[in-house]
Amino acid sequence: QSALTQPPSVSGSPGQSVTISCTGTSSDIGGYDRVSWYQQPPGTAPKLMIFEVSNRPSGVPARFSGSKSGNTASLTISGLQAEDEAEYYCASYTSITTYVVFGGGTTLTVL
Amino acid sequence: EVQLLESGGGLIQPGGSLRLSCTASGFKFDGYAMNWVRQAPGKGLEWVSSISADGYTTYYPNSVKGRFTSSRDNSKNTLFLQIDSLRVEDSAVYYCAKEGRYYYYMDVWGKGTTVTVSS
Repeated sequence: QSALTQPPSVSGSPGQSVTISCTGTSSDIGGYDRVSWYQQPPGTAPKLMIFEVSNRPSGVPARFSGSKSGNTASLTISGLQAEDEAEYYCASYTSITTYVVFGGGTTLTVL
Repeated sequence: EVQLLESGGGLIQPGGSLRLSCTASGFKFDGYAMNWVRQAPGKGLEWVSSISADGYTTYYPNSVKGRFTSSRDNSKNTLFLQIDSLRVEDSAVYYCAKEGRYYYYMDVWGKGTTVTVSS
C-alpha cells in the first residue's frame, strides 16, 4: 500500500493562510470520510488535529480546518502563527489493508 | 490526564526479537482499540498494527505481517508489540496510539520508544 501523496513542503507568512493537500484513491480518501490530520513539531510525538475529514478535537484552534473533494483531502491553516511550524501528516482508512495509511508528510515553514 | 508510556526499545542485532510495552492511564483502556505506529529516522509515519478493544482482532500491513504480533492485557492497562526476525529497516521510534471513539484515527499518542537494529 503506497502512502498518500502530500507536497514535501509549504510555507507562508504570519497571518496568511496555507493549504496542504493529500491525494489518494477511491480505495481510501475517495471512498470513505475517514481522513485525519496530525501535527508533529520536531522531536515530539504526533498530535491529532482533524478527524473524519473536518472535525476538530477539543483544544485544537478553529484556525485549523479540513475538507475533501474526490480523492483529495486538504488541511487549511488560517491566521498562520510561528508555533504552527511543524511536519503535517494526513491519514485515511483504506480498504486495501482494512486499516490506516499515512501520507508522506509536509513540512510547514512559517516565514 | 490521558497518558501512554512506551518502553522496551533498545539496540538489538538483526534476526533478534523484542517486546515493546505501552502502559495506559487516564481512560477506560478496555473500551478502545489501540495502535502501534513507527517512524524511521528522518522518515514519515507508518502504521504497523491495530488491536481491538477486547484483544481478539488484530490488523497489520503486509510489510510486517508474520513478524509483528500485537496483544494486550486489559487487567493491567498494557499494550504489547512482539517483533520477531528483526531487520535493519525496523529501526524506528515506535509510538503507541489510542484509537479515537469513531475509529480509524489516533487521538492520543505516547512519546515513543526507540528501536535500533544493528550488528
